[in-house]
Amino acid sequence: DAGVIQSPRHEVTEMGQEVTLRCKPISGHDYLFWYRQTMMRGLELLIYFNNNVPIDDSGMPEDRFSAKMPNASFSTLKIQPSEPRDSAVYFCASSRRTSGSSDTQYFGPGTRLTVL
Amino acid sequence: AQKVTQAQTEISVVEKEDVTLDCVYETRDTTYYLFWYKQPPSGELVFLIRRNSFDEQNEISGRYSWNFQKSTSSFNFTITASQVVDSAVYFCALINNAGNMLTFGGGTRLMVKP
Repeated sequence: DAGVIQSPRHEVTEMGQEVTLRCKPISGHDYLFWYRQTMMRGLELLIYFNNNVPIDDSGMPEDRFSAKMPNASFSTLKIQPSEPRDSAVYFCASSRRTSGSSDTQYFGPGTRLTVL
Repeated sequence: AQKVTQAQTEISVVEKEDVTLDCVYETRDTTYYLFWYKQPPSGELVFLIRRNSFDEQNEISGRYSWNFQKSTSSFNFTITASQVVDSAVYFCALINNAGNMLTFGGGTRLMVKP
């Protein structure tokens, strides 16, 4: 089975531009997570979805960030306008909740975002 | 609130040495899950193991072994006969049964020198 797919793998943009990161979760997984990794803050959860519905977006840093999941096989994380402090690696992960227990989250390869 | 502490930020060993990565966690839940992930230099996060709070049996997978002790709230990871390919950042993480939010430790960078 294919793992979590993210695109692009690398993105370099200029401050003020809109950035869209994409994710395809593992087929059959009903949870999707967006994380951000920086040297200063480590790995932090931004938002997660269950059955395409956003459940907790308390980690989204500010209104410039938005995430959508229009269907079970696709999600986007958008930053508009982008700022240099948004430079980080953004990971998407997916999991499948079974028998009421928390299942393993499998991560995509990440998108390395650089905002100049 | 949950917390995961990996006190060792960097460890350097010579190939074939055994190395143990420490992980200490805090949670008020009685049912929870512990994980280890590996992040090699290429950057992806690779799942290694998942343990639930009711299973304290140690686990061995090849050169990897894990020691889970609820009495000390620890979930340590040992690599036996380390190899250069083991060089990576290793993350310990925790999730409770009711939630979906992984709490990660700060990671331990392991450098295995030839």
